[in-house]
Amino acid sequence: AQSVAQPEDQVNVAEGNPLTVKCTYSVSGNPYLFWYVQYPNRGLQFLLKYITGDNLVKGSYGFEAEFNKSQTSFHLKKPSALVSDSALYFCAVRLNSGGYQKVTFGTGTKLQVIP
Amino acid sequence: DAGITQSPRYKITETGRQVTLMCHQTWSHSYMFWYRQDLGHGLRLIYYSAAADITDKGEVPDGYVVSRSKTENFPLTLESATRSQTSVYFCASSDRAGGRKDTQYFGPGTRLTVL
Repeated sequence: AQSVAQPEDQVNVAEGNPLTVKCTYSVSGNPYLFWYVQYPNRGLQFLLKYITGDNLVKGSYGFEAEFNKSQTSFHLKKPSALVSDSALYFCAVRLNSGGYQKVTFGTGTKLQVIP
Repeated sequence: DAGITQSPRYKITETGRQVTLMCHQTWSHSYMFWYRQDLGHGLRLIYYSAAADITDKGEVPDGYVVSRSKTENFPLTLESATRSQTSVYFCASSDRAGGRKDTQYFGPGTRLTVL
């Protein structure tokens, strides 16, 4: 069975500092990996995804994520945090295989950027 | 910009009543999904649909019914609501399964309270 772990329920970072939101995954094969962001009372918005190729994926709003196969991780990063980045972040994984494959979401990490 | 909408946004009902949550997307995406979001569980898949008239169970289908007579609509019905079905429900859609178009786009959610 596939799974996603987001080990931190909450991450606090000062505005202007770099941020990292951690994600590790387990899947029986090659993964597709996703990051989504959820603002209060809104649906999830797609940020970025890894399918294959370059391990560093760039996404929306200046976010990027690094795929590390040996550590089975896909941490989300941003060089300089903004107060407006405060939100709930979800990592997700699915098997890189043909046809429909179930997507498994992590439990989410709340990012708080302190002015 | 096309969209995915859900209605109602908020619903309060009583135990035992039937409730239908609506989802409509304008992209003509093949795949549609229903998730529920609960604290500590992240998002859990209730049902999904690969095309009109094709639906299948997700992780937590018990107590829910879906239909998809048209590509753009994917209603979710709680046949006899229970308090454990109090949750936030998200509908999502994606163009394809696999490849670069395999990204789910989410609606704004429906907050359902069962008294």
